[in-house]
Amino acid sequence: QVQLLQSGAEVKKPGSSVKVSCKASGGSFRSFAISWVRQAPGQGLEFMGGVIPIFGKPNYAPKFQDRVTITTDESTNTVYMELSSLRSDDTAVYYCARSDSRDYLWLDPWGQGTLVTVSS
Amino acid sequence: EIVMTQSPATLSVSPGERATLSCRASQSINNNLAWYQQKPGQAPRLLIYGASTRATGIPARFSGGGSGTEFTLTITSLQSEDFAVYFCQQYNNWPRTFGPGTKVDVK
Repeated sequence: QVQLLQSGAEVKKPGSSVKVSCKASGGSFRSFAISWVRQAPGQGLEFMGGVIPIFGKPNYAPKFQDRVTITTDESTNTVYMELSSLRSDDTAVYYCARSDSRDYLWLDPWGQGTLVTVSS
Repeated sequence: EIVMTQSPATLSVSPGERATLSCRASQSINNNLAWYQQKPGQAPRLLIYGASTRATGIPARFSGGGSGTEFTLTITSLQSEDFAVYFCQQYNNWPRTFGPGTKVDVK
């Protein structure tokens, strides 16, 4: 049973960057897509992008193309999402989630979420 | 980008009753649609994929239907644990997109 464990909550200043980790355990890592989705307080879900470790190259939603970097560390089965030039409206819970495929399909399971608060 | 819409925004239902939620895509997504349930303070949970296939462990009272641009999620005989927010997601086009959600609350 695959489980995704994310890093803890962060508080950041506007203009800075945040890096959130997502460690996979209990299953194969390289061959499956990991996506990042965020949820602002009281709002819906927003797809940011993802990576399929075996292919290496991340894929980004156009809205986040200029500010997000997704990387992998295969030695620790960990995917990272770094968001730069933070603004107050980046305050959200950030989730990683896996697709049981070499494509970004349905998402299952999800990590527990990481709250990122952007405040001066 | 494919825009997903959901209706209604809020659905008030009595326990034991049936709930039907709708999801519409701005263009055809074939049957590349998933449904998720989210409870307060929790991550979303996959219910349905391929528009109509229940995920592992999901009770039979949850069923999905539709194809193209119109989809439904039906919950027969609502249980107390089913009161939550439900999101649809398309995975036919990039970027993947979600609907705004339907909140199912107690009538």
